[in-house]
Amino acid sequence: EDQVTQSPEALRLQEGESSSLNCSYTVSGLRGLFWYRQDPGKGPEFLFTLYSAGEEKEKERLKATLTKKESFLHITAPKPEDSATYLCAVRLSGYSTLTFGKGTMLLVSP
Amino acid sequence: DARVTQTPRDKVTEMGQEVTMRCQPILGHNTVFWYRQTMMQGLELLAYFRNRAPLDDSGMPKDRFSAEMPDATLATLKIQPSEPRDSAVYFCASGSGGAEAFFGQGTRLTVV
Repeated sequence: EDQVTQSPEALRLQEGESSSLNCSYTVSGLRGLFWYRQDPGKGPEFLFTLYSAGEEKEKERLKATLTKKESFLHITAPKPEDSATYLCAVRLSGYSTLTFGKGTMLLVSP
Repeated sequence: DARVTQTPRDKVTEMGQEVTMRCQPILGHNTVFWYRQTMMQGLELLAYFRNRAPLDDSGMPKDRFSAEMPDATLATLKIQPSEPRDSAVYFCASGSGGAEAFFGQGTRLTVV
């Protein structure tokens, strides 16, 4: 069965303390891996799409990378405003829908 | 500022009542998704439309849920009759082709 697993479930960092979030997937026929950010009471906000192993995307303090089995979201020198739940999702060949992991809740303390 | 608009933002209803949630997708997007989010299950796909045609509603309880797109600017999700276990946040998202999906702010449904 296709599966998307995110770890850790929750992560607490001090401001400036860099770390990485993991998204591992056991799917056949990956046609895109997506990262979203979700703030409390809001809908998921699109961050990145990665299509092939070795691909990297960056946006401010965030960098997403992709291998054949997992993706990492690296957060460099995070700030309190980076606190949110980060969701990853996969799109499979032949489908347009996204299958989501359960997310990592990130809290960055000043 | 193109965005997906959902109404209502919050809905509290009694068990057995009908609930209708509405979504206005981003103009020009041809795919619309309905997702449900709970603490236990995370985001689950309920239904998916392309060019207003339903392509996948396998995630939806068929006996009480229905989803439609009366026109390109409106998608609806209806629950009749509603049950307490339907309490969740319901998201609509729209997209174009195989690109990313953009989400609305959600409808928080509480069935008492």
